[in-house]
Parts: sequence; C-alpha cells; structure tokens
Amino acid sequence: RKEVEQDPGPFNVPEGATVAFNCTYSNSASQSFFWYRQDCRKEPKLLMSVYSSGNEDGRFTAQLNRASQYISLLIRDSKLSDSATYLCVVNTQAGTALIFGKGTTLSVSS
Amino acid sequence: EPEVTQTPSHQVTQMGQEVILRCVPISNHLYFYWYRQILGQKVEFLVSFYNNEISEKSEIFDDQFSVERPDGSNFTLKIRSTKLEDSAMYFCASNQIWGRPDTEAFFGQGTRLTVV
Repeated sequence: RKEVEQDPGPFNVPEGATVAFNCTYSNSASQSFFWYRQDCRKEPKLLMSVYSSGNEDGRFTAQLNRASQYISLLIRDSKLSDSATYLCVVNTQAGTALIFGKGTTLSVSS
Repeated sequence: EPEVTQTPSHQVTQMGQEVILRCVPISNHLYFYWYRQILGQKVEFLVSFYNNEISEKSEIFDDQFSVERPDGSNFTLKIRSTKLEDSAMYFCASNQIWGRPDTEAFFGQGTRLTVV
C-alpha cells in the first residue's frame, strides 16, 4: 500500500504562534484528503477536509497541491487546546480505506 | 450527535486466547471499518464491511481475524489465538450515508487490547 508521509515533530510553539504542517502522499489515485486530530490515547477526530481550491475554517487553513501530491495545514494564533497530534489522511474513493500518516505532534505552551 | 460506541474500553487477554471486540456504528451509515494503532505508531486499516460482506481488507487482516454483523446494530472483530504483537488500540469507524458522495468517517473511542 502506498504511504502518507509527515514530519513527526514535535513542534513546540508559544501561544499565539502560527505553525504549518506538511504532508506528502504517494498514491496519485488519491481523491479525498483530510486532516484529523488525535489527542493522547483517544480516537482520531476530523479537523477538516481538504479541497482542491484550499479551504479555511477559523484559524485553520488547508491547502492541496495535486501535482506535487502535497497537503498542508496552517494553524494561526495557536491555543493551548491545539496541543495534539495532527494526522494527514487520504483515500482513493468513498467507502475505501483511509490511509493515515504517522502524525505531527504539536505542543503549545503559555 | 450520533456516535460510534465500542466495548470494552480495555481488554486484557492471555496469549492464545480468542477475543471479540464490539462496535455499534452510527445507524444510517453504510460502511463499517476496523483500524488498529500500535502504541507510538500510525493508525492502520484492517478491514471494511459493506452490505454484509467484507469490501476491502489489508495484509494485516489474515486468517486470525474475522468480522461479523450478527444483528442490525452490532459489528464485531474477532481475533483468534491472540499474539503479543496484537496488543494495540482497535478503532471501529463508520461512514457513508446513502445518496451522499462522501461523508466524514466517525471513529469510536477505541478498545485497548493488551495481550499478556
């Protein structure tokens, strides 16, 4: 199975900082792209889907570059509550397996 | 908000024993999944289930594993003859509502399996 690669971090940032995470995927047939958040020993929870034109949800902005097979997540004005592991996830079509990256750990400190 | 529920939250079993992990997916979802996450590693796909049969499985999902939907609400993962390396967090997930092209995958809170 093709892979999803992420910088594992950890990223240690102060409150209010802007932080960016990158992800690359190797399967060119991938059609759907997501960022999930996982807190320690908890289940993954969808943060946001990633669309071709890029999309924003409050402090979070996701970008997709299909040509480079690259996905990014930007978090502005970091909060303590943003501390978690951020998982880059792709799949080829609805109803098929989600392929997870290993995740990037973010620690926001006061 | 509807949720995927899993039981038990933690299961300790002796090597060689059989375990059954249970899940109740969201009721109007069509696809059900099992994933596992070994401590410190990434979430790995095991199997997907649609229309009462396996629709996709990974190389991890060998003859030791089986899934079943014994009634209209439960979805189970059976692991026969457990090995130490089966120790992991097992997540159930569901998604896909009829008529909608794609829906978010919702995950249960997981069952932590410890094989001793």
